[in-house]
Amino acid sequence: RKEVEQDPGPFNVPEGATVAFNCTYSNSASQSFFWYRQDCRKEPKLLMSVYSSGNEDGRFTAQLNRASQYISLLIRDSKLSDSATYLCVVTRNTGKLIFGQGTTLQVKP
Amino acid sequence: DAMVIQNPRYQVTQFGKPVTLSCSQTLNHNVMYWYQQKSSQAPKLLFHYYDKDFNNEADTPDNFQSRRPNTSFCFLDIRSPGLGDAAMYLCATSRDLGQAETQYFGPGTRLLVL
Repeated sequence: RKEVEQDPGPFNVPEGATVAFNCTYSNSASQSFFWYRQDCRKEPKLLMSVYSSGNEDGRFTAQLNRASQYISLLIRDSKLSDSATYLCVVTRNTGKLIFGQGTTLQVKP
Repeated sequence: DAMVIQNPRYQVTQFGKPVTLSCSQTLNHNVMYWYQQKSSQAPKLLFHYYDKDFNNEADTPDNFQSRRPNTSFCFLDIRSPGLGDAAMYLCATSRDLGQAETQYFGPGTRLLVL
């Protein structure tokens, strides 16, 4: 079983739609949680950190449920430019990043 | 204003011919990492340097080596590339080790093995 699991998708949604991605992690000792965005053939870039209290950055909302070992990302009012792969990432106390496989989002006009 | 620079962006090598990928950083970060990312897969950590201390992941093949001659530069050496080593190789840096540290990624080098 992979330490970080994501539905690879692809998720195909129209512009303006709301879409949610989920991620589960198996190591209860995981310390920090992030969503990264990766465009085709580019490097991953940090989208946002994820906190138990939930956090929002514009159209993006991230949520962490430590009891269920579950992380989510909600994108509201999808734009064409949101098309990318979204990587769920957890860290151990050493700072090592453990990446999920990624969920691909395609926003259509 | 690139902070983590990787050269070359694309590298073609022959089966079994040694190849070196380069990474440099302008952030003066203590930690430098090398990841391998194959198509449609997650980035996988190969090793990292904390200053001059080398830390190899347990499942990184011996075929992969690294050098860090100074704070700014780190190299990935693939001694005898196989077809299965074709991938994107990502370099990243962080100021320090620890779960609160942000890692900054370079643009990657895409390696093709013929």
